[in-house]
Amino acid sequence: AQSVTQPDIHITVSEGASLELRCNYSYGATPYLFWYVQSPGQGLQLLLKYFSGDTLVQGIKGFEAEFKRSQSSFNLRKPSVHWSDAAEYFCAVESAAGNKLTFGGGTRVLVKP
Amino acid sequence: SAVISQKPSRDICQRGTSLTIQCQVDSQVTMMFWYRQQPGQSLTLIATANQGSEATYESGFVIDKFPISRPNLTFSTLTVSNMSPEDSSIYLCSSLGTGHEQYFGPGTRLTVT
Repeated sequence: AQSVTQPDIHITVSEGASLELRCNYSYGATPYLFWYVQSPGQGLQLLLKYFSGDTLVQGIKGFEAEFKRSQSSFNLRKPSVHWSDAAEYFCAVESAAGNKLTFGGGTRVLVKP
Repeated sequence: SAVISQKPSRDICQRGTSLTIQCQVDSQVTMMFWYRQQPGQSLTLIATANQGSEATYESGFVIDKFPISRPNLTFSTLTVSNMSPEDSSIYLCSSLGTGHEQYFGPGTRLTVT
């Protein structure tokens, strides 16, 4: 069965600093990978997705992610964080059977002024 | 992307009662999903709701506890039956987009006393 690990439960960054969130997955084939963001009291918003092709994918809100097959990783990055980026971020992988998503445990990002 | 609404947005219920959560999508979709997000936790898939057939439940979730209806291609309901305090969670529905991504509703925050 596939699994997703987000090693960092909390990350605190200063506004304007760069951000990198780690995601490792366990999956037998080439996965469909996603990053979602959940702001306080909100549902989940899709930031970006990877299916195939270019391993560096661009998303909304200035985020990008890089797929590294050799490391089974799909890390999310942003060069300069804004206070509005404070939220919880979830990495997810789609199962080949039934389009089901398996989510990582999430990383909560705090932004210091 | 699909726009999804959920009703109610939150509720406080007494143990032993049931609550039905509604999920409305602004376009026709083949697959809808229901997730549970327990306090401070990640999302766990409850079931896949298919139009015209019974929902498919994940391990640990049963139809008697979480009956689901899917009467058409834009609407689904999830009922949380015979509630206990352990059912206090956020319940989210999602729809499957054309590119394997899922779009989420804002969630229903349920507190069982």
